[in-house]
Amino acid sequence: EAEVAQSPRYKITEKSQAVAFWCDPISGHATLYWYRQILGQGPELLVQFQDESVVDDSQLPKDRFSAERLKGVDSTLKIQPAELGDSAMYLCASSLLGRAAYEQYFGPGTRLTVT
Amino acid sequence: AQSVTQLDSHVSVSEGTPVLLRCNYSSSYSPSLFWYVQHPNKGLQLLLKYTSAATLVKGINGFEAEFKKSETSFHLTKPSAHMSDAAEYFCVAGPQISSGSARQLTFGSGTQLTVLP
Repeated sequence: EAEVAQSPRYKITEKSQAVAFWCDPISGHATLYWYRQILGQGPELLVQFQDESVVDDSQLPKDRFSAERLKGVDSTLKIQPAELGDSAMYLCASSLLGRAAYEQYFGPGTRLTVT
Repeated sequence: AQSVTQLDSHVSVSEGTPVLLRCNYSSSYSPSLFWYVQHPNKGLQLLLKYTSAATLVKGINGFEAEFKKSETSFHLTKPSAHMSDAAEYFCVAGPQISSGSARQLTFGSGTQLTVLP
């Protein structure tokens, strides 16, 4: 069964350093999402792509976060500089278009710890 | 705008007894609704989804949920809990039914289910 791939699974970084996460969606899924999940809370959307275009980045802290999906396939989320409050699980999800867009498939996530 | 409220942050049941996880939603339209499960250090897995007229939805692993529009509820149930059901469960509201649009999901805050032997 096809899955969403994410790497790394775990990342520990020091405050003020740069960090990057990678996501490879299920083949053929045009829509890709990045979510942040703080411990004890539900995931919150950071950014949504349709193909290579950003559809929604209203919740992305643009002073330090950036995301790209250059060829409309895999995606990278970057944080620079990292802050203590960025410690969280970063989840990537993908979906098809149209009615099948209801169902999002999630990757295993990257757990970030900022020290 | 829409919101999801999971009424219990923790639920504890004995193995073999019924499970009830409560969820209420608020939306200006008729949303699609989902339940996802998250095991420790794992990604989110879809349990079931409501996107049609069938108000009783059956999912994987014996779970089901009933959509009650009059109560704006979408509670998750299972007749008999198993140890492997211990996990965090999220009630989620999605795009308007039949809109066919890819929109963000709105997650509840989660319910941690503990299953006692």
